[in-house]
Amino acid sequence: EAGVVQSPRYKIIEKKQPVAFWCNPISGHNTLYWYRQNLGQGPELLIRYENEEAVDDSQLPKDRFSAERLKGVDSTLKIQPAELGDSAVYLCASSTDRGNTEAFFGQGTRLTVV
Amino acid sequence: AQSVTQPDIHITVSEGASLELRCNYSYGATPYLFWYVQSPGQGLQLLLKYFSGDTLVQGIKGFEAEFKRSQSSFNLRKPSVHWSDAAEYFCAVGVPTTGTASKLTFGTGTRLQVTL
Repeated sequence: EAGVVQSPRYKIIEKKQPVAFWCNPISGHNTLYWYRQNLGQGPELLIRYENEEAVDDSQLPKDRFSAERLKGVDSTLKIQPAELGDSAVYLCASSTDRGNTEAFFGQGTRLTVV
Repeated sequence: AQSVTQPDIHITVSEGASLELRCNYSYGATPYLFWYVQSPGQGLQLLLKYFSGDTLVQGIKGFEAEFKRSQSSFNLRKPSVHWSDAAEYFCAVGVPTTGTASKLTFGTGTRLQVTL
């Protein structure tokens, strides 16, 4: 069974440019998470979806970040415009919607803003 | 709100030596607890998890962890470390939410270096 798939793996952009990350969760997983991991830090939740509904987006900087999960499967996270401080690894994870289950992570997208 | 503290930023052990990584959490009830490992350039892989029941849980790669409610701790242990265990280790707390997957909060991680 395929795991969580993210693309691209790496992205280098100039500041003020837009960027988008894509995530395909494990089949049958209704819950999808986007995390941001700064260098030397643990992942921090940006947004959590249950099916196509964003149930927790309190940590998403809504002035420049947006996310969508059409049809409750794939998800896209967008930054527009990117700032130097957005350089980080963006991790996508998925799980079933039961509380007592773990999240499975993709390999992440490493974003460098120059 | 829940929080996780990993007091050791960096630990170095010799191959074959025992290992203990510390994790303390803050939450009003018993949370779900996880340990993940991250190798360079990779995502996070689950080592083990605690939801309820036996407070000593076994995981993959010979790791185990013990939940101690009185100390709000969930320390990770391995009796004999291998060079391939060098990685970043993250403790995470999952807060149960009604009808949905739990909300995960991660610690800042402990980087393990293994000397030969």
